[in-house]
Amino acid sequence: EDKVVQSPLSLVVHEGDTVTLNCSYEVTNFRSLLWYKQEKKAPTFLFMLTSSGIEKKSGRLSSILDKKELFSILNITATQTGDSAIYLCAVERGGSNYKLTFGKGTLLTVNP
Amino acid sequence: DAGVIQSPRHEVTEMGQEVTLRCKPISGHNSLFWYRQTMMRGLELLIYFNNNVPIDDSGMPEDRFSAKMPNASFSTLKIQPSEPRDSAVYFCASSPGTSGYTDTQYFGPGTRLTVL
Repeated sequence: EDKVVQSPLSLVVHEGDTVTLNCSYEVTNFRSLLWYKQEKKAPTFLFMLTSSGIEKKSGRLSSILDKKELFSILNITATQTGDSAIYLCAVERGGSNYKLTFGKGTLLTVNP
Repeated sequence: DAGVIQSPRHEVTEMGQEVTLRCKPISGHNSLFWYRQTMMRGLELLIYFNNNVPIDDSGMPEDRFSAKMPNASFSTLKIQPSEPRDSAVYFCASSPGTSGYTDTQYFGPGTRLTVL
C-alpha cells in the first residue's frame, strides 16, 4: 500500500522565520509528487515534482524532490501570517494501477 | 470563470437516508475528481473520471458509494444508505488535461456532510 508521511504535524513560527516541511513516501511506480496549500476551504495547487534534484520555486516558496531517498521538502522563507494553512503532500502512482495518495498534512501557524 | 461548483454546501441527514452530492467542473476541463476529507483520515481520493469515464475508483469505500458523470459538465456522488462515519467534507476538483493527477487540479468549495 502506498504511504505518504508528513512532518511535523504542526508548526508554530513567527513572521519572518523560514520553515521546512517534510514529506516522505513509499509508492510503487512513482510518477509525481504534488504539494497543495489548504486554508479555510479547498486545497490549492502549489508544485508538481517529477525529477530528482530540480528545485521548483514560486516567490518565497520552493520545493525539491529526492527520488533516491524518497522524500521532498517544501521551504517557505520570510513567512507571513497569510502562509498559515495546512500543507498537503500527495504522491501519484503511475502505470495501470493509477493512484493518488495524500499525507495527513502539516498545520503551519505564522504568528505576527 | 465560476470555478468548480458544488452543491449543496452543507447537508445534514439521518442515518439510512440517501445523499446525493453534485459537482459542475470548470468548462473545458477533461478530468474530474471526488475527494473526502476528515480529521482522522485526511484527504482521500475517491474516484477519478477522464472524459466522463471512471479511470480509478479504488478509493471508493464500499458499495454504498457510487459516482456518475453523465456528461462533461455534471457529476454526482451518491451515498445510499448513509452512515454517521460518512460525515466529512467532500470535495470535487477538475483539471484541464488528460495526464491524470499531474495536471493542476482546481478544487470546489466542498460539501460538508453530517450524518446523524
